[in-house]
Amino acid sequence: QSALTQPASVSGSPGQSITISCAGTISDVGGHSLVSWYQQHPGKAPKLIIYEVNKRPSGVSSRFTGSKTGTTASLTISGLQAEDEADYSCCSYAGGRSFVIFGGGTRLTVL
Amino acid sequence: QVQLVESGGGVVQPGGSLRLSCAASGFTFTSYGMNWVRQSPGKGLEWVAFIQYDGTKKFHADSVEGRISISRDNSKNTLYLQMNSLRIEDTAVYYCAKSLLQLGARPSGWFDAWGQGTLVTVSS
Repeated sequence: QSALTQPASVSGSPGQSITISCAGTISDVGGHSLVSWYQQHPGKAPKLIIYEVNKRPSGVSSRFTGSKTGTTASLTISGLQAEDEADYSCCSYAGGRSFVIFGGGTRLTVL
Repeated sequence: QVQLVESGGGVVQPGGSLRLSCAASGFTFTSYGMNWVRQSPGKGLEWVAFIQYDGTKKFHADSVEGRISISRDNSKNTLYLQMNSLRIEDTAVYYCAKSLLQLGARPSGWFDAWGQGTLVTVSS
């Protein structure tokens, strides 16, 4: 099973909104609601910010929202802040022998 | 608070072995599935293995099947990863990660707590 496809980088100015896409197939993103998103600052461990497509763990800002259409999941960050500058990775259950696959990650730059 | 502390990383030659450990605290270890996730330098995340809360079910990524094995000791609140026949491409930071849901029987991709990671370098 190939990794999920994400753009290598996105950027936005403080206060703006950005959306990161995560393209998969019917076997992974399109076939399950087990999509999650992680935020990772340089040198740090990943942090879960979205699970089950659009749910936020306790303590995660409501500025982070997740969605899914067909075989593509998306993460939208509204009201961009400097602290949002990080790498974002999507993840999905893939079943079969792959079980769990990640996207390649997207570097968010806050201009 | 939940704490996961990995240890056991280091430099090993191709074909060598290493055992990673992850000491867990701050939650009921016996109620949660646990995972190992790795990240090669400058690369994306890769799920490696999952073990059910009671250790009866294990799942491994195809890329490590037969060479790397996950296990746990619930009496010690500790997760392990036994790595044999190591390859150059196994070089990565290895993270221990807790599954979000209690009593899950399969990997879900929902990891709500991570350790700081331990670096494994396979090099001659």
